[in-house]
Amino acid sequence: DQQVKQNSPSLSVQEGRISILNCDYTNSMFDYFLWYKKYPAEGPTFLISISSIKDKNEDGRFTVFLNKSAKHLSLHIVPSQPGDSAVYFCAASSSGAGSYQLTFGKGTKLSVIP
Amino acid sequence: SQTIHQWPATLVQPVGSPLSLECTVEGTSNPNLYWYRQAAGRGLQLLFYSVGIGQISSEVPQNLSASRPQDRQFILSSKKLLLSDSGFYLCAWYGDPEPYGYTFGSGTRLTVV
Repeated sequence: DQQVKQNSPSLSVQEGRISILNCDYTNSMFDYFLWYKKYPAEGPTFLISISSIKDKNEDGRFTVFLNKSAKHLSLHIVPSQPGDSAVYFCAASSSGAGSYQLTFGKGTKLSVIP
Repeated sequence: SQTIHQWPATLVQPVGSPLSLECTVEGTSNPNLYWYRQAAGRGLQLLFYSVGIGQISSEVPQNLSASRPQDRQFILSSKKLLLSDSGFYLCAWYGDPEPYGYTFGSGTRLTVV
């Protein structure tokens, strides 16, 4: 059972436009969410996170929105740049998990076209 | 600052051969450590995690095993590799729970031939 779902395996966006990456989760115990960015042959790097007590978190060009009632979060990148082309993983955790485990989605490959 | 080292970067091994991948963390003590695998089209799959020396939890029954002989060392092993073991293996540690989550190593690309 996939608890974190990224239903779009890929997304193409023109440079300068907005990129919106979506993520859905099913486990109501998840209370902390993260986005990671991964380039080929490299480990994922942390991008931005949000706690369930918030519905929005911004960091420069990146904004994450959380809709708890819909169990949905999204990552907005504005404006998109060619260097943003990468695979983006959504991840979730539960503060009660003990071992600090993250559950990942399958990722969305973003291509920003110059 | 904390850093995580993982090696080798790439590995090509024949079916039936053994495997040993090593991960070490610097700048922290008693970290939670994790082994993940990214197989083609499969996302990030948690294989093992460890909350301390000698403590290993397995998430997926398979051909692999893990060990934690020292506080900041985590090893992924196999006695006999299968073709299905091919993938990109990532070590990670979980330090402060916010806001950084996991810090990943640079990964090992394993190709079993």
